[in-house]
Amino acid sequence: SQQGEEDPQALSIQEGENATMNCSYKTSINNLQWYRQNSGRGLVHLILIRSNEREKHSGRLRVTLDTSKKSSSLLITASRAADTASYFCATDGGWGTDKLIFGTGTRLQVFP
Amino acid sequence: ETGVTQTPRHLVMGMTNKKSLKCEQHLGHNAMYWYKQSAKKPLELMFVYNFKEQTENNSVPSRFSPECPNSSHLFLHLHTLQPEDSALYLCASSQERGGWNIQYFGAGTRLSVL
Repeated sequence: SQQGEEDPQALSIQEGENATMNCSYKTSINNLQWYRQNSGRGLVHLILIRSNEREKHSGRLRVTLDTSKKSSSLLITASRAADTASYFCATDGGWGTDKLIFGTGTRLQVFP
Repeated sequence: ETGVTQTPRHLVMGMTNKKSLKCEQHLGHNAMYWYKQSAKKPLELMFVYNFKEQTENNSVPSRFSPECPNSSHLFLHLHTLQPEDSALYLCASSQERGGWNIQYFGAGTRLSVL
């Protein structure tokens, strides 16, 4: 399977704490993306990191990419209850650009 | 609001029914997608359309029939479904830019097959 895998599958933290989610993938990539999904809703794009980048920031989000290990991490700092959602990584598999392979997701619960 | 609208939001159907899911995007994108999301399983890509042409059919059973009349509309026609087809069906659209493909998703149709 070319699916990515997120780790952990589920994460529970208190508001104000940081949340770190990891993603591993199997093929070469041109870029990697992170998406967020609120329960029963569609996915929303958060951030994209290119294969020649090692780190990227967007607000309270920090993404790292290690292509030698085929892994990425998403850090959410100072978490809020509204961050409660599932988070997915997605890769393009290095083929072309009209297809993404999504990971299995990390379910994040942030308690007030 | 993501610019991708799916209807209906919820659908309950019997195994002998025929129904259709509709997706419309207002983003001017050239590619549209159908995904199936089942509980505790990864998101499964079903179909990809690029400029109205189907470019991917991910071994989807023939009881699912896609239709893309133009770049803004995508349908998924359903007939003689099975209970295991119950899932959240998500539509997405994208426009390739600079070598990357950021997808915009609709809110999904929650399908229950009885």
